[in-house]
Amino acid sequence: GPKVLQIPSHQIIDMGQMVTLNCDPVSNHLYFYWYKQILGQQMEFLVNFYNGKVMEKSKLFKDQFSVERPDGSYFTLKIQPTALEDSAVYFCASSPTGNTEVFFGKGTRLTVV
Amino acid sequence: QQKVQQSPESLIVPEGAMTSLNCTFSDSASQYFAWYRQHSGKAPKALMSIFSNGEKEEGRFTIHLNKASLHFSLHIRDSQPSDSALYLCAVSGGNYKPTFGKGTSLVVHP
Repeated sequence: GPKVLQIPSHQIIDMGQMVTLNCDPVSNHLYFYWYKQILGQQMEFLVNFYNGKVMEKSKLFKDQFSVERPDGSYFTLKIQPTALEDSAVYFCASSPTGNTEVFFGKGTRLTVV
Repeated sequence: QQKVQQSPESLIVPEGAMTSLNCTFSDSASQYFAWYRQHSGKAPKALMSIFSNGEKEEGRFTIHLNKASLHFSLHIRDSQPSDSALYLCAVSGGNYKPTFGKGTSLVVHP
């Protein structure tokens, strides 16, 4: 089936440093998402993105977070600076229409120390 | 703001049992209702979805939607140990943003 690729799978970073999480969504999908999940708990919405723009951000999407997809390449989530509470698994997802199935990547496990 | 709640939080059933998972939502204008399954350390993957009231069966799995009650459910017939996972319900509507419940952790023991 369609695959969303996330790089890296694990990242350990010092608190205060910048980190960029990369996502290669399914090629013909139009809607992109980042979700945050702590310890196999609730999948919490961070942001969705369509047509080069952020559609909606949750309250978890702090000012230190940003997303972009320059020239149709990787869809990225950047955190600058990182904080201890940013430690989680970040899932990228994409959807063809936004109101149908969402396809998830395998996640990036971010550990801020 | 869409609220999605799942019950129970966790469930342990013997192999061969019928398992029922529940999901309630708050936005009556929601359009798409789905169940995702997430094995430990893996990505969630869509299991079944439904758009309109009624039932849909695929193999051992049945999804049932009642929009008037703001409720949908997943039933697993003849549960297998391989069904053990975290089950997430998701609801989306005009905001193009699937909202997930907290999940039901299912353990099927042999």
